[in-house]
This record gives sequence, structure tokens and C-alpha cells, in this order.
Amino acid sequence: DSGVTQTPKHLITATGQRVTLRCSPRSGDLSVYWYQQSLDQGLQFLIQYYNGEERAKGNILERFSAQQFPDLHSELNLSSLELGDSALYFCASSTGQGIYEQYFGPGTRLTVT
Amino acid sequence: KNEVEQSPQNLTAQEGEFITINCSYSVGISALHWLQQHPGGGIVSLFMLSSGKKKHGRLIATINIQEKHSSLHITASHPRDSAVYICAVRVRSGGGADGLTFGKGTHLIIQP
Repeated sequence: DSGVTQTPKHLITATGQRVTLRCSPRSGDLSVYWYQQSLDQGLQFLIQYYNGEERAKGNILERFSAQQFPDLHSELNLSSLELGDSALYFCASSTGQGIYEQYFGPGTRLTVT
Repeated sequence: KNEVEQSPQNLTAQEGEFITINCSYSVGISALHWLQQHPGGGIVSLFMLSSGKKKHGRLIATINIQEKHSSLHITASHPRDSAVYICAVRVRSGGGADGLTFGKGTHLIIQP
């Protein structure tokens, strides 16, 4: 158990809908990362937050947004969902910025029908 | 061309064999991670390297920064080592951005 929690574990929704994925980092970790794993693209970095502030953006679509709250939990919002958004979404956390180990949550499996 | 290349893509071996998985990258990095993903989907971090060599149990990871190459070795392989092994790099950048760039993974099967 990495200490990173994600909810829900599974999510099935229809095209055009909006969903919110939630992540709670390990106790004391200030950085949160979101990653997407799809069959065709593999694992991709979406976005990073550090202590409530956006730090870096990767291949995140404009339909997706995220935030990190004062208690350090993070939410990833996916809107106008398309079939191609079906994927595993992982959250990871680390102590801070720089060369720190990243600890991955169990993931949320999103299926868009 | 992907920034992170792994080989082989698939590897089937017999229990007890010595396993090597290779990772090459084409960008400047500040750290390289080896990750393990079991069929259930969860990702476990095995090693984080910025130089040299690390060992944990039957797993050994090495990195050559000059040659931009890393290897993951498994000694005395066991069926429970069957998983996907993923190489990921932290691209060197300013501003504290730490998002990882991933290889496509090596699917390892160890047969009893």
C-alpha cells in the first residue's frame, strides 16, 4: 500500500458527460501528479500540483482540469467525455519538488460508453 | 521517435533465469525510475536512480548517464516476477516540473 488513495476505483459513464476523480496523497506529501494510461498511448503525464499551485502541464486536454485543495487532496475533472478518454487514471504523490520518489495510487478505471 | 525506448517489448523466460531489461533515453534527465505494474493495474516504484547502481533483493538497477542507458536485472527469476516493467525519466528542466516520461514497458512472463 503506497499510502495514496484514489476514488472511485471504477467509473462508467456516457459520452458527453463530466466526471471528477479524487486523489488523497500520502501524509505529508506536497506534490500531486496525474497520469493517464490508455492502450494506444501508454502512460502519459497530465499535470502536476505542488502545495496547491499548478507546477507543470503535460499532455492534458483542454476539456480536462485539475486542482489541489488546501488539505492537499486533488481532483481531476474530465468533461465532454469521448470514447477515447477511456483509460486508467493514476495519481501519484511525492514529498516535494525535485528528485523525490513518486508513490502511485491504485488508479481509477474510466469507461466511456 | 519516443524519448524513452525499452527493449525487449516482450520477454518469456524460465524460472531461475537471469533477466535483463534495457532502457535508452534521448533527453537530459535528472532521474530515472523503474516501475512494476501487475495485471491488476497497480504501479509500484522499484528504483529511482540518478547515477550508479542500486540493489534491492533480487533486483538490480544500473544507469550510465553518459550513454543515456539504464538496465534492470532480475536474478533467480520467479513466476511472481511476471509483470510489466516500465522505465520512466524525469526530464531535466527548470521550475521544479517533475512529471515523468514513460517507456512503453516490457511485458515479462516467467514460466515455472
